[in-house]
Amino acid sequence: AQSVTQLDSQVPVFEEAPVELRCNYSSSVSVYLFWYVQYPNQGLQLLLKYLSGSTLVKGINGFEAEFNKSQTSFHLRKPSVHISDTAEYFCAVSNDYKLSFGAGTTVTVRA
Amino acid sequence: DVKVTQSSRYLVKRTGEKVFLECVQDMDHENMFWYRQDPGLGLRLIYFSYDVKMKEKGDIPEGYSVSREKKERFSLILESASTNQTSMYLCASRTPGANVLTFGAGSRLTVL
Repeated sequence: AQSVTQLDSQVPVFEEAPVELRCNYSSSVSVYLFWYVQYPNQGLQLLLKYLSGSTLVKGINGFEAEFNKSQTSFHLRKPSVHISDTAEYFCAVSNDYKLSFGAGTTVTVRA
Repeated sequence: DVKVTQSSRYLVKRTGEKVFLECVQDMDHENMFWYRQDPGLGLRLIYFSYDVKMKEKGDIPEGYSVSREKKERFSLILESASTNQTSMYLCASRTPGANVLTFGAGSRLTVL
């Protein structure tokens, strides 16, 4: 069994400031890790994924995440956010073809 | 890229009604999924299908059933809708080999 914990439910941030969204997972086997974003009134869109290889993963829209196996974490970062980054962000883990999602983190970017 | 289409964006139904939510993908993917999304709970897996007529229960299958008669179409059925099934329902299709899900825009169901 696997599970995901997103440590922050709401993250307010000012435009052009950096943001970090925290994600921890638990699993007894090797996993694949994902971050998805959901803009208002839309479905989920893949931001980035870690399947193997380099632990620093770059995604779309300037986001990146780092896989830390010893801390079972996969935190998402962006050095400078825009108003358009206002959305809900979901961390997900998989060790087969099923994904388990965290509860989500709502990011609100203010001018 | 695969396109996943959910036929209804918004539905309002009454308690006890039978509800069909339809989902279609255009890339001949074998794996399809139905999730429900609730505030503070994230996405929870209801059912998934790994091929035509093949299905498996997810984490919260109670009160739901599914149908997969053709590879491109995966339907979620609420036999007798209840108010606690008011939610956003998301369908997804899995890209083989990449282990990535592509989601539809969602169907927001309100049961009165």
